[in-house]
Amino acid sequence: QKEVEQDPGPLSVPEGAIVSLNCTYSNSAFQYFMWYRQYSRKGPELLMYTYSSGNKEDGRFTAQVDKSSKYISLFIRDSQPSDSATYLCAMSAAYSGAGSYQLTFGKGTKLSVIP
Amino acid sequence: GAGVSQSPRYKVAKRGQDVALRCDPISGHVSLFWYQQALGQGPEFLTYFQNEAQLDKSGLPSDRFFAERPEGSVSTLKIQRTQQEDSAVYLCASSSRAQRRNEKLFFGSGTQLSVL
Repeated sequence: QKEVEQDPGPLSVPEGAIVSLNCTYSNSAFQYFMWYRQYSRKGPELLMYTYSSGNKEDGRFTAQVDKSSKYISLFIRDSQPSDSATYLCAMSAAYSGAGSYQLTFGKGTKLSVIP
Repeated sequence: GAGVSQSPRYKVAKRGQDVALRCDPISGHVSLFWYQQALGQGPEFLTYFQNEAQLDKSGLPSDRFFAERPEGSVSTLKIQRTQQEDSAVYLCASSSRAQRRNEKLFFGSGTQLSVL
């Protein structure tokens, strides 16, 4: 079992829909949680960052972390065709030393928003 | 532009060839990372530099992989005796400070390596 599990989709929704993306993880040391967006043939771009449990909102995007369930979510409201991309969750641990610098990514969920 | 630049954009190698992939981070960025992204997978960590010091190389899959950043700016990832399983997109990322957990990483568009 991988440390971070993410359904690869693909997920197809009509324009204006609410999109829910999620990841589960197994490593209790993960404290920092991120969502990246990756367009085709481009590098990942940071969308949201959350420390520990709780919610964070930025425009149409809301990130939620439930550490007790080891479950994180990203919600996209009023989805647009320009949101069509692969969404990657990423996590890192709080300990120091070798291995602490890296992000552990999920597989990514491919989202298509249909006009 | 002011982003992370990687070259070449595409590289085709015959099995057994050596390859060198280049990363130009954002000017002044202290931290530099290499990640490997196989088709349909998320990026996987390879190595981390803080200025010219390689602080973590725990993700390099074998001794055929070698990375350097001799002057604390441009970095090169070298793969010797390439194998088919090395086929992937190699992503470089940089950030402005020594790595903290909440540092924003800026990724390049990657080098797509195909080993035939």
